[in-house]
Amino acid sequence: AQRVTQPEKLLSVFKGAPVELKCNYSYSGSPELFWYVQYSRQRLQLLLRHISRESIKGFTADLNKGETSFHLKKPFAQEEDSAMYYCALTGVTGGGNKLTFGTGTQLKVEL
Amino acid sequence: DGGITQSPKYLFRKEGQNVTLSCEQNLNHDAMYWYRQDPGQGLRLIYYSQIVNDFQKGDIAEGYSVSREKKESFPLTVTSAQKNPTAFYLCASSIAGTRDYTFGSGTRLTVV
Repeated sequence: AQRVTQPEKLLSVFKGAPVELKCNYSYSGSPELFWYVQYSRQRLQLLLRHISRESIKGFTADLNKGETSFHLKKPFAQEEDSAMYYCALTGVTGGGNKLTFGTGTQLKVEL
Repeated sequence: DGGITQSPKYLFRKEGQNVTLSCEQNLNHDAMYWYRQDPGQGLRLIYYSQIVNDFQKGDIAEGYSVSREKKESFPLTVTSAQKNPTAFYLCASSIAGTRDYTFGSGTRLTVV
């Protein structure tokens, strides 16, 4: 069974402070990890995926297979980063492309 | 709003009634998905379909049914057997073989 754990329901940081949204996973095969984001009154959308190794809106995430983690990081938080963030997992092979989501972390960036 | 459309935005149902939520996409995506979003529980997969006339149960399929007669459409029926149907329902689609989901704006179902 595959599982995604996001331990923090709410994370509150000040503008300019570093951000780290935690994500741990459980999967027996080779995983593919994603971060999705939902801004206020907008649709859920893909933020980044681990295989792309890209930085989107200043966010990065590195897959750590030893610690089974895929934490989302940003060195300096901006007010517009306030949103709901979901970590998601699927298998590289099989899995039918279906994503398993975590429970989400609400990020609040305060001035 | 293009891409993937869910209707209606808000839906009220009496206990004991079946209700159908619409999901239509014009992205030419092969795969479509239904998730249920509850506070504190994230998104949970109800059903998914990778091709027309075929679909599979997700993690919480009990009390729900779907059909996939057309590539563009993946309606979800919430039956009277679903014990706790009040929730926010999200539909998504993706190109076959990818995990880049495009989400709809959701339908909020309330049982009264």
